[in-house]
Amino acid sequence: GQSLEQPSEVTAVEGAIVQINCTYQTSGFYGLSWYQQHDGGAPTFLSYNGLDGLEETGRFSSFLSRSDSYGYLLLQELQMKDSASYFCAVREGRVTGGGNKLTFGTGTQLKVEL
Amino acid sequence: GAGVSQSPSNKVTEKGKDVELRCDPISGHTALYWYRQSLGQGLEFLIYFQGNSAPDKSGLPSDRFSAERTGGSVSTLTIQRTQQEDSAVYLCASSLVGLSSYNSPLHFGNGTRLTVT
Repeated sequence: GQSLEQPSEVTAVEGAIVQINCTYQTSGFYGLSWYQQHDGGAPTFLSYNGLDGLEETGRFSSFLSRSDSYGYLLLQELQMKDSASYFCAVREGRVTGGGNKLTFGTGTQLKVEL
Repeated sequence: GAGVSQSPSNKVTEKGKDVELRCDPISGHTALYWYRQSLGQGLEFLIYFQGNSAPDKSGLPSDRFSAERTGGSVSTLTIQRTQQEDSAVYLCASSLVGLSSYNSPLHFGNGTRLTVT
């Protein structure tokens, strides 16, 4: 079977750094993505890791270790607007082979406090 | 508009009725997805269309659920004989997939909130 595990909830203060972990067990692996979803809103793409290592996009970074079936999303200089749910998602097939289906984790609700 | 459009935004129906949910993907996006999200839960995969290939229906929860994609563009998700457990937000997404695609992020619509009474 396939599963992605994330913490259900994380709380941090404004200006801090927070890390949201994701471990996965899937039949195939062609990349780990992260999506953000505000309450009542649509999920939006944040980052993608196809290879091991760190990808940085502004205040957000994402890391992948394929040997450990593990990744994380790092959010720096937290702002109140970062309060949202964060989902990791695994692609199990090659994009060009029609395998762009994403399996999502259960999501982590991030609460940023003053 | 430039984004994924879904209609209706809200749908209340009585148990046992059929409903149709519509998704208009971003122009040029060859891949289209339906996901379901119950309150406070993750995204549950339902069905995936990619170009002219046979759709991946592996996530459809029962034979009451079906989906079509006409002309490689607009998609309709149909739920027959709705049940209360079908109440959820139904999200549609599209992505651009090509020979050079390494990562093709999903672009989601705002969803249809379905309530079965």
